Amino acid sequence: DVKVTQSSRYLVKRTGEKVFLECVQDMDHENMFWYRQDPGLGLRLIYFSYDVKMKEKGDIPEGYSVSREKKERFSLILESASTNQTSMYLCASSFLTGTDTGELFFGEGSRLTVL
Amino acid sequence: GIQVEQSPPDLILQEGANSTLRCNFSDSVNNLQWFHQNPWGQLINLFYIPSGTKQNGRLSATTVATERYSLLYISSSQTTDSGVYFCAVEPGTSYDKVIFGPGTSLSVIP
Repeated sequence: DVKVTQSSRYLVKRTGEKVFLECVQDMDHENMFWYRQDPGLGLRLIYFSYDVKMKEKGDIPEGYSVSREKKERFSLILESASTNQTSMYLCASSFLTGTDTGELFFGEGSRLTVL
Repeated sequence: GIQVEQSPPDLILQEGANSTLRCNFSDSVNNLQWFHQNPWGQLINLFYIPSGTKQNGRLSATTVATERYSLLYISSSQTTDSGVYFCAVEPGTSYDKVIFGPGTSLSVIP
């Protein structure tokens, strides 16, 4: 079975802190994604990566950066957390099929609260 | 951009009942997936179904790509089926952007 593991289920941080959200997958997937989920706004894509050291902006990249130094790990970084970044963060991965993004597999989610 | 609609937005079922959830999309798609988000927030894959019909136990799904819709059937519902069901599509013109529908919130009561 595919396993996508997110480092923290619940985090509480203060405004201005630097926040790292880690995601690791064990299926040798090329693609990795970060989404955030908010009531009324649904799931929105922040960043994705289709290879090591590659990254592409999604729909809402402002205030975030990412790092992919190894194929299995994709990190989401909030350089200076703000209260409007309080959200549920979801990591996903998939195989690179060549014709589409492939079947997405999600981690358990990280619920971040910024005070 | 592509629009994804799901209906109904909310559904309450008695345990044992059957239901059909619908996903409509406004343009051609490369793929379509159905997910179940459990009460703890995790999205669980149900089906990867760009076209045709698939079955997995009490659940089945059908996608008619030419008519731009997909259906998720839940038979003999159980309380553990409660949660939010999302369809997600990848537009035919965009390799990398998967668009999620707004979801159907299902409550199965004993």
